[in-house]
Amino acid sequence: GQNIDQPTEMTATEGAIVQINCTYQTSGFNGLFWYQQHAGEAPTFLSYNVLDGLEEKGRFSSFLSRSKGYSYLLLKELQMKDSASYLCAVRDSNYQLIWGAGTKLIIKP
Amino acid sequence: IAGITQAPTSQILAAGRRMTLRCTQDMRHNAMYWYRQDLGLGLRLIHYSNTAGTTGKGEVPDGYSVSRANTDDFPLTLASAVPSQTSVYFCASSRTGDDTGELFFGEGSRLTVL
Repeated sequence: GQNIDQPTEMTATEGAIVQINCTYQTSGFNGLFWYQQHAGEAPTFLSYNVLDGLEEKGRFSSFLSRSKGYSYLLLKELQMKDSASYLCAVRDSNYQLIWGAGTKLIIKP
Repeated sequence: IAGITQAPTSQILAAGRRMTLRCTQDMRHNAMYWYRQDLGLGLRLIHYSNTAGTTGKGEVPDGYSVSRANTDDFPLTLASAVPSQTSVYFCASSRTGDDTGELFFGEGSRLTVL
């Protein structure tokens, strides 16, 4: 079966750096996505990786290793507004998105 | 402001009743999707449509139906609601053929079936 694993919850301190990991086992691979979802709101797109390596976008970076079935989202200079759930999703061989359950990130002052 | 509009935002429904969740987008996206989100689970695809006039079944289609008469509208119907359909429902759209395949989500419809 297809599976996306990510930690359920993480806690970090304002101003610090946090890395959220995602491992996947899917039928084929056509890209990996990270979305941010604040409580009670809709998910919003953060990043897309289809080739191995690091994609940097401001304070957020996303890394992919296709051979290891592994990705991480790196958040730098954490702000209180970064408290949210972070969803990892993989597009499979049928171009359908398989979603992880999300990682709830709690930022403490 | 361009985007996706869902209605209603929240609804309490008696079991056995019929319910239609509405979804409208003004971005002229070809593809549209309905997901449900339950605590502890990832988003699960109910139905999708790659273009107006076509629909397909997702991971959890039972008890739900959709139609896509035009590009903008993609309603989701529960023919006879059951308590297990209590969930938050998200409609989403994407540009078919876009390399990133980024999804744009509506604000969600919280449905409680008693």
